[in-house]
Amino acid sequence: DTAVSQTPKYLVTQMGNDKSIKCEQNLGHDTMYWYKQDSKKFLKIMFSYNNKELIINETVPNRFSPKSPDKAHLNLHINSLELGDSAVYFCASSQVGPRRTSGSGNEQYFGPGTRLTVT
Amino acid sequence: QKEVEQDPGPLSVPEGAIVSLNCTYSNSAFQYFMWYRQYSRKGPELLMYTYSSGNKEDGRFTAQVDKSSKYISLFIRDSQPSDSATYLCAMKGGSNYKLTFGKGTLLTVNP
Repeated sequence: DTAVSQTPKYLVTQMGNDKSIKCEQNLGHDTMYWYKQDSKKFLKIMFSYNNKELIINETVPNRFSPKSPDKAHLNLHINSLELGDSAVYFCASSQVGPRRTSGSGNEQYFGPGTRLTVT
Repeated sequence: QKEVEQDPGPLSVPEGAIVSLNCTYSNSAFQYFMWYRQYSRKGPELLMYTYSSGNKEDGRFTAQVDKSSKYISLFIRDSQPSDSATYLCAMKGGSNYKLTFGKGTLLTVNP
């Protein structure tokens, strides 16, 4: 059973298009995340949702809009795609919210990634 | 100074060697420390997770945290070619509730 799954795995599209990436976790976790990994392999957080509430929103262009229909799903919609959006996008989840300051449950589990190429 | 520093390598060792991977950090409030392994074109896989200082062992892997020196390590004993991957450290704590990653160290274990 896949714990954190993403679709699609690969996405090739042209500049200006709108696309969505879907993420689902079956771990029963309360918190989900979107990360972007650039060509230099650096992982940077974009968004975090805890029980469908947005709790982390980094300085990401507003062309990127996360949507969480329930706590097991966190989708990422990208409008007006640009060349610089080409990267690998990872979804992750954790048992507790990121502001939890003690105890376990902070560890994050990642999906397989979506490789987005904008031409 | 970056919050988390990690030597990107690449690091190449013979099979059976003991591998030491390290990260330094500047934020003394960090208290959760994780190590991830990422194979090429795959998602990061959680290897080890420690809270505060001390050591943690899991099979061939040992994670160490030295908060006084702001230094964490991952040791791999009897390294195998299947250990060839990029290893990422990550940490959080205090007012920094976002998981901050190092840039990863590329490890190759040669048979």
